[in-house]
Amino acid sequence: GNSVTQMEGPVTLSEEAFLTINCTYTATGYPSLFWYVQYPGEGLQLLLKATKADDKGSNKGFEATYRKETTSFHLEKGSVQVSDSAVYFCALLRRSQGNLIFGKGTKLSVKP
Amino acid sequence: EPEVTQTPSHQVTQMGQEVILRCVPISNHLYFYWYRQILGQKVEFLVSFYNNEISEKSEIFDDQFSVERPDGSNFTLKIRSTKLEDSAMYFCASRGEGENSPLHFGNGTRLTVT
Repeated sequence: GNSVTQMEGPVTLSEEAFLTINCTYTATGYPSLFWYVQYPGEGLQLLLKATKADDKGSNKGFEATYRKETTSFHLEKGSVQVSDSAVYFCALLRRSQGNLIFGKGTKLSVKP
Repeated sequence: EPEVTQTPSHQVTQMGQEVILRCVPISNHLYFYWYRQILGQKVEFLVSFYNNEISEKSEIFDDQFSVERPDGSNFTLKIRSTKLEDSAMYFCASRGEGENSPLHFGNGTRLTVT
């Protein structure tokens, strides 16, 4: 079946630290991969996406590379800010059905 | 930028009552979804809707749930007889054509069943 596994949180970092949130997936076929972010009290916002192997998605300083050989889509940011504090969800899109399957989410807290 | 809007933002209801959660998807989108997130847990797929019919539903989406697109703009989720365990944040989403087009989510409706 299709599934997404994310690293357990919460993750607490100091401002300007390097961030990695691991995400691996299991899927039949070739899904598209996404990172969504949920800021406190808000809904889910698309952060970045990649639609095929070796694609790199990037937005707001965040990056993730679609690695087919390791079935991974790890989220990275070189220097986090307090405003990055949120819950981050890795997700895959089943092309045949068009619905997203989410990981459990990783809560990030960035301290000044 | 167009967005998905959901109303109300918070709904409190008594166990056994019917609730209707409302969503206005992005206007040119064709695929519509409901997800839910029980507090502190993962976001779970409930149902997808395309061309005026359900295209897929999860095990969660039992006979107590139904969806409707009554007027070409709204997309509603009805829970006929709410249970305590239905308390969650319910997210509506829509997407356009193209198999890689992302889902756009609303801010959610927090449903509290007492």
